[in-house]
Amino acid sequence: GESVGLHLPTLSVQEGDNSIINCAYSNSASDYFIWYKQESGKGPQFIIDIRSNMDKRQGQRVTVLLNKTVKHLSLQIAATQPGDSAVYFCAEGGGGNKLTFGTGTQLKVEL
Amino acid sequence: GAGVSQTPSNKVTEKGKYVELRCDPISGHTALYWYRQSLGQGPEFLIYFQGTGAADDSGLPNDRFFAVRPEGSVSTLKIQRTERGDSAVYLCASSLGGTPGSTDTQYFGPGTRLTVL
Repeated sequence: GESVGLHLPTLSVQEGDNSIINCAYSNSASDYFIWYKQESGKGPQFIIDIRSNMDKRQGQRVTVLLNKTVKHLSLQIAATQPGDSAVYFCAEGGGGNKLTFGTGTQLKVEL
Repeated sequence: GAGVSQTPSNKVTEKGKYVELRCDPISGHTALYWYRQSLGQGPEFLIYFQGTGAADDSGLPNDRFFAVRPEGSVSTLKIQRTERGDSAVYLCASSLGGTPGSTDTQYFGPGTRLTVL
């Protein structure tokens, strides 16, 4: 996958607004997709996942959309809160159990 | 319940030394994974265990890296003759496992930050 080194893409949103984080995946054979949230100094935390037989899945304040035609995944966070500030990673799995992670996006929530 | 735990949280070593990193998975999870995360990047797969056996070790960078899981629970990642380029956060994850060909949700530990001087 691509590497952006120390300069992660950054999304800045106002508290209370909705956030949309996008991800392009590479493997057409991937059948499982997952979003993780990672705070500084911590391990990735599971947010939501989706399998390739679905195009939308909703959780608490989060929605994942999958567009297999263009190999695109997005995470929508409703009513973004300061505690949502973190780096968000998408990952894809192809049935072999290992996950391939995309480039992270830094979400900054401004008060 | 307890999540995935990893020890130590930080490890500083000198170039050429041997290190061991430990992972305790979630109780009942048969699948265990090791990933490595460099600064500013996403985790990169190293190795996957189903039970006691390494089902996929294609991500291990070279033969200085080795991992074991002798009783199907705790795993140890071993790095011989450490190099400065090995400095990274080593993450462990576990999942329920047991479904061939199906990827299931992986839950990560806090990681071990390895620094090779």
